[in-house]
Amino acid sequence: AQSVAQPEDQVNVAEGNPLTVKCTYSVSGNPYLFWYVQYPNRGLQFLLKYITGDNLVKGSYGFEAEFNKSQTSFHLKKPSALVSDSALYFCAVRDKVKAGNNRKLIWGLGTSLAVNP
Amino acid sequence: DVKVTQSSRYLVKRTGEKVFLECVQDMDHENMFWYRQDPGLGLRLIYFSYDVKMKEKGDIPEGYSVSREKKERFSLILESASTNQTSMYLCASSQTGYSGNTIYFGEGSWLTVV
Repeated sequence: AQSVAQPEDQVNVAEGNPLTVKCTYSVSGNPYLFWYVQYPNRGLQFLLKYITGDNLVKGSYGFEAEFNKSQTSFHLKKPSALVSDSALYFCAVRDKVKAGNNRKLIWGLGTSLAVNP
Repeated sequence: DVKVTQSSRYLVKRTGEKVFLECVQDMDHENMFWYRQDPGLGLRLIYFSYDVKMKEKGDIPEGYSVSREKKERFSLILESASTNQTSMYLCASSQTGYSGNTIYFGEGSWLTVV
């Protein structure tokens, strides 16, 4: 069965330090992988996605993520955290191999990122 | 930019009331979705629609129905609201035809059932 795990409920980092939000996945075939961010009382905003090609994907607001097939991971990273990055981050996966247009994403439970001044 | 608009941000309804949550997207997307979000449970798919008048159940359809009479509009209906339906509801849309298509979300509707 497809699944996504975000092993940390909360990540705390000091402003200016690098941040990592972890995501691992399980699919039967090759994945499409997504990261979204949710600010308080707002909807989810798309950050970036991995489809194919370069394992390092760059997205919005200076975020990037690295696809690691052998470790089935897609960790979100940023070289220098800002207080304004404090939010809830969701990882999601969709299996490429599924027949037809598999419209459903499988979501992680989210990781709350707190960036301290 | 894709815009998904949820008409009501905050609603308070009484138990037993019929509740309509409306969602409109402006990018001619074929797929539309309704999720609910609860602390510790993440996002759970209620229903999705891949075309006008077409719908499929998601993971938690019980107590909900949907309507899609026009391509741009997808409504979530709570026939008889209950307190356990107090939640944040998120509408989303995406193009069809390619599983790598991005899903775009609205701002969410906070529903409290008292």
